[in-house]
Amino acid sequence: AQSVSQHNHHVILSEAASLELGCNYSYGGTVNLFWYVQYPGQHLQLLLKYFSGDPLVKGIKGFEAEFIKSKFSFNLRKPSVQWSDTAEYFCAVTSNYGGATNKLIFGTGTLLAVQP
Amino acid sequence: GAVVSQHPSRVICKSGTSVKIECRSLDFQATTMFWYRQFPKKSLMLMATSNEGSKATYEQGVEKDKFLINHASLTLSTLTVTSAHPEDSSFYICSAGNSVLETQYFGPGTRLLVL
Repeated sequence: AQSVSQHNHHVILSEAASLELGCNYSYGGTVNLFWYVQYPGQHLQLLLKYFSGDPLVKGIKGFEAEFIKSKFSFNLRKPSVQWSDTAEYFCAVTSNYGGATNKLIFGTGTLLAVQP
Repeated sequence: GAVVSQHPSRVICKSGTSVKIECRSLDFQATTMFWYRQFPKKSLMLMATSNEGSKATYEQGVEKDKFLINHASLTLSTLTVTSAHPEDSSFYICSAGNSVLETQYFGPGTRLLVL
């Protein structure tokens, strides 16, 4: 069965600390991988995505993620978090054909709280 | 970027009534729209996938007679919660996409409270 697991449900960091959020997936085929962010009271926004090529992808707001195929992982990183990064982060996977017509499988989300 | 809207943003209704939620793609044609339900402190649970002009495909465990989905045009899908009960209270989110776009775009969500 297709699934996405996020290991950290709730993370608390101080400003300027480094961040790494884990994401592992189980999917029988070639995948596209995504990280979405949901700021308080706002809708889901795309942080970054991986379709193919360089496994290290850079997204908005200084975030990056690395696809490690052998580990079925797609961890999100940021070297120095800010208070404004306080949000919920979702990892998601879909099959790699059909563009944006394929259903996304979401992880359970990680709530990040950054203390000033 | 592509924009998806939802209406209403929040609704309160009495138990037993029906509620319709609209999802619109404002600047692109959405051949496919998805409806999700988000519980507090939980992830998004996909309820159904709707393709323009055809019947929606429901995920396992989602009652299709209770959650009616219509996708009659390339820019509009509706979710009707029929005979709503308090346990239907939740945050409902739609997303939209097509085969040209690389990613789906999400609406802002509709918070439903059934009293």
